[in-house]
Amino acid sequence: DTAVSQTPKYLVTQMGNDKSIKCEQNLGHDTMYWYKQDSKKFLKIMFSYNNKELIINETVPNRFSPKSPDKAHLNLHINSLELGDSAVYFCASSRARGEYGYTFGSGTRLTVV
Amino acid sequence: SQQGEEDPQALSIQEGENATMNCSYKTSINNLQWYRQNSGRGLVHLILIRSNEREKHSGRLRVTLDTSKKSSSLLITASRAADTASYFCAVNNNDMRFGAGTRLTVKP
Repeated sequence: DTAVSQTPKYLVTQMGNDKSIKCEQNLGHDTMYWYKQDSKKFLKIMFSYNNKELIINETVPNRFSPKSPDKAHLNLHINSLELGDSAVYFCASSRARGEYGYTFGSGTRLTVV
Repeated sequence: SQQGEEDPQALSIQEGENATMNCSYKTSINNLQWYRQNSGRGLVHLILIRSNEREKHSGRLRVTLDTSKKSSSLLITASRAADTASYFCAVNNNDMRFGAGTRLTVKP
C-alpha cells in the first residue's frame, strides 16, 4: 500500500508535447510538493500546496502548472515540453509545513527527445 | 543560499568503517533533516534534528547540529555495503531546501 504514488514512472515524449504526471498520497497529510532532480542530483523545489492552496511557486516556467483537486492529489501538467525539462520529478507530502519529515514518491523520469 | 550544501560530494570507504558527511547552510532554520536516496529511487527520511537540539541518534546514525556555525554532520557507524546511496541534508524553514547530496560507496 504505497504512501505516495506517482504515475507514470517513466515518460518519454517529443518536444512540444503536453504531458501530465499524477501524484496521490494516502497518509492524510495536509501539504504536498513537487521537486525536480537534475542530472547532477540537485533537488529543487517547484511547488508547494497546503490543503489545496498554492503556497510556493518557485521560479518555474509558466509551462508548468500544478493542480490539486483535493488534498490527497497534486498533479503536474507541463505544456510545450522542452529538452531542458528532462529530469526526474518527485512528489512528496508532509503532515504540515515546517515541522515534519517528508515522504517522497519513487519519482517520474521524464525524457524529452 | 537557502539550501543545504553537502560535503564531500563523494565518499568511498570499506565495510565496517565509519562515514561522516557534512552539511552547511546560510539561513535560520526550524529544523534540519537527512535523507537517503538509493539509485533510481525516491528519498527516504532518516532523521530530523530541531534547531534547539545539538545531537540525535537513530540506530547506527548520529546527527549533530551547530547553529552557531550553521552546520550539521551525519555519522554512519560500522558501515555496510547496503548503506551505499546518496545522502542529502535539507534545511527546513517552512519549506525544505536540498543540496546535491554526498554519494557514499561502501565496499564489501
